[in-house]
Amino acid sequence: EAQVTQNPRYLITVTGKKLTVTCSQNMNHEYMSWYRQDPGLGLRQIYYSMNVEVTDKGDVPEGYKVSRKEKRNFPLILESPSPNQTSLYFCASSVGADGGDTQYFGPGTRLTVL
Amino acid sequence: AQSVTQLDSQVPVFEEAPVELRCNYSSSVSVYLFWYVQYPNQGLQLLLKYLSGSTLVESINGFEAEFNKSQTSFHLRKPSVHISDTAEYFCAVTVTGGFKTIFGAGTRLFVKA
Repeated sequence: EAQVTQNPRYLITVTGKKLTVTCSQNMNHEYMSWYRQDPGLGLRQIYYSMNVEVTDKGDVPEGYKVSRKEKRNFPLILESPSPNQTSLYFCASSVGADGGDTQYFGPGTRLTVL
Repeated sequence: AQSVTQLDSQVPVFEEAPVELRCNYSSSVSVYLFWYVQYPNQGLQLLLKYLSGSTLVESINGFEAEFNKSQTSFHLRKPSVHISDTAEYFCAVTVTGGFKTIFGAGTRLFVKA
């Protein structure tokens, strides 16, 4: 089944404890992206990747890191999480890096930073 | 820079009534336009999109949206809603040939029996 998977689905952590949220897609997509969803703000793009080893900042990159060493994986790293990073996070992928391609979303990761 | 405004945060409607979810965007360059739907406790999935050509686009489940360049709008409509249409709907834009996606704040559609 073609899908985007994220792990973990739920995570409660404390301020300053490094964490990684994994994202994997099995559709051989070139483009991958991370978003955070907050009430009243919709989805905001954190980072995106056009292909292996090619990443760029979205609108809210502060406090996050990403890497794209393999085509299928695009982990999101929070090196020193803070309470303002409590949010619902979505990973997405699309066939290519043309803006008109449909993005396929993972099920989401709900993160709480205490 | 691009921006997307969804004019209604919540829209309650009775089953079988028509509905319109409004979306306006701002961009100095040409854009692609999308509507995504998020059912409770799920990720987003594409409902429909406008890339070029006919300004009226349709989805398989009866929704349609019309691209209006002069009014910079991309409103979503359905002539008769079902309980199962209850969800949050997001309008989004990407710049033609670009990589960033800008989402609106979302509109929660509540369909009542």
